[in-house]
Amino acid sequence: ETGVTQTPRHLVMGMTNKKSLKCEQHLGHNAMYWYKQSAKKPLELMFVYSLEERVENNSVPSRFSPECPNSSHLFLHLHTLQPEDSALYLCASSQGPPGSYEQYFGPGTRLTVT
Amino acid sequence: SQQGEEDPQALSIQEGENATMNCSYKTSINNLQWYRQNSGRGLVHLILIRSNEREKHSGRLRVTLDTSKKSSSLLITASRAADTASYFCATDRDYKLSFGAGTTVTVRA
Repeated sequence: ETGVTQTPRHLVMGMTNKKSLKCEQHLGHNAMYWYKQSAKKPLELMFVYSLEERVENNSVPSRFSPECPNSSHLFLHLHTLQPEDSALYLCASSQGPPGSYEQYFGPGTRLTVT
Repeated sequence: SQQGEEDPQALSIQEGENATMNCSYKTSINNLQWYRQNSGRGLVHLILIRSNEREKHSGRLRVTLDTSKKSSSLLITASRAADTASYFCATDRDYKLSFGAGTTVTVRA
């Protein structure tokens, strides 16, 4: 257990659905991240929150909408997704400034868009 | 954009052997990190090495960093079946981590 939990672990949704992914960290960290991991591709950074403020939006389509209500919780709201959005979505947190500290990852949500 | 690139893409070794994988990157860094990922799971942090360090150890893991060559290596000694996983290097750039595509290591019993 890394201290970062993600729910749900698996999600199947149609292209017209709206769903949300949830991430919670129990480590007292102040930076949180969303990553997308597709088969045979490097991990893609989607969003970074530092002290609850979004500091990075890595050219992610607007059908992905992050929310960070406090330093322990991070959400990724999904709507009108495409089949190519099927991937493993990983949440991570770190103690300090993004990039300078090791990141702790959750187990991921396996998303399938039908 | 991808900063680090691991080599080889895949590695198959016998239990008890050593495994070495390399990471090359393009621009200057403050630190380089190595992570492990078991199939379909989250990543686990292994070692962070800062740009002013040349070598770091953690148990059976040894990481080297050569900033003049912009490269790093990860050595796993006396490999075990449980070491079967994908290994990623990550470099910091603009206060965020950039991951490579990874090396898939298979340890045969």
